[in-house]
Order: sequence, then structure tokens, then C-alpha cells
Amino acid sequence: NAGVTQTPKFQVLKTGQSMTLQCAQDMNHEYMSWYRQDPGMGLRLIHYSVGAGITDQGEVPNGYNVSRSTTEDFPLRLLSAAPSQTSVYFCASRMKSGNQNTGELFFGEGSRLTVL
Amino acid sequence: AQSVTQLGSHVSVSEGALVLLRCNYSSSVPPYLFWYVQYPNQGLQLLLKYTSAATLVKGINGFEAEFKKSETSFHLTKPSAHMSDAAEYFCAVSGNNAGNMLTFGGGTRLMVKP
Repeated sequence: NAGVTQTPKFQVLKTGQSMTLQCAQDMNHEYMSWYRQDPGMGLRLIHYSVGAGITDQGEVPNGYNVSRSTTEDFPLRLLSAAPSQTSVYFCASRMKSGNQNTGELFFGEGSRLTVL
Repeated sequence: AQSVTQLGSHVSVSEGALVLLRCNYSSSVPPYLFWYVQYPNQGLQLLLKYTSAATLVKGINGFEAEFKKSETSFHLTKPSAHMSDAAEYFCAVSGNNAGNMLTFGGGTRLMVKP
């Protein structure tokens, strides 16, 4: 039971570098999302997708890019890393369940990113 | 827009004591509410959820929460704390965007003293 798999688990970048955080799920979930977790701020939604080919912005999308070419994968790209993007990033997925979110979100184990 | 406020970023209790973690929400539509737990260096795991059925919701590990519309609250309780309950707890409300993604509170770190 792999569930939601994130790679890498740890990454150190220099300011201005770009990178991609990978997320894959094997539960055939329609909905996928990226959150960042910062102390005292809980989890904030970066981007989300309700299906292959469909993405939308969340609360804090600036500096990040996403695409959803398959149901399974939802990579998060940092275009030009900044120290403010130092955070723990979580990918999460869930089934589509009617119009309201009654379904459980399944989380990956997180990717800890440090930008120097 | 929906929002969640968790009162108390840190809560400390003795083993065997009552656990009470507070959550208040704001929502323009009837909310769906969730509590998640995060153990160190792990992702989040669902504890329980309210989806407009019974107002008292029972979850895993002996936790429960009561939805009180008049108070816009969804506090999490457990009658007797165990050392293994030490973790960070997040309250969340369903969002009003197309995907109805969750909006999380700031989290409450629960410490359990022997």
C-alpha cells in the first residue's frame, strides 16, 4: 500500500535555483493538492487539481507551478527558489465525492525544503 | 471564505487527564469539519470528521468532537490522555473553491506529562 509518495524527502537549494517536488498516488484519486506547513500557520494550500489537465491556485500560489498530465502524478515546481519558500511541503489526494468535501484527504510524508 | 482558529498553539496535560483542544470556524455555508493528527516527521492522519450527520463524532484512539453550530465550534476531547497522544493536531474546514480543498487551522501541539 504505497498511498501518496513524495520525493525527495529532504532538499537544500540556493536562492534562484529551480527544482521539482514529485508526488504520486496509486489510489486512483481524482483530487490532488499541495500544501506548505510553516510553524504556527498550519497548512496552507498552494495549488490543487480536480482531475488530469485541470489545475487551480490555492491560498499561496506565487513562486510555484503545477501540472497534472496523469491521474497519478502532480509535481510541484519551484521556479526560482527564495528563502521564504523554506518549508515542509505536503502532497495530499482524495476521491471525488459529490459536491462537498466529505472524503478523507490522504497525505504523503512530506518534503522538507531549505533555501539558503 | 472559510477560516479556522485553534486556540492555544501548545497544550500540556498530565497522563490520564482530560484532553481538550479548541477549534472555532467561520463558514458561509454549512461546514464539513475535520480533525487531523501529525506525529513527528510524518504526514497528517485523519482523526475524525463531521459531515452534517450526528453532532457528536467519534474518532480513532478514543478521541471525539462535538459540532456546535451556535458557538461555531468543533472542539476535540479525550477523557484520559496517554503518552502516545503527544502530537500536533489540526482542525480543518471544507473550502468553497471548486475542489472544496481543506482550510487548516494553525495547529495545537499536545504535550503529555508522565
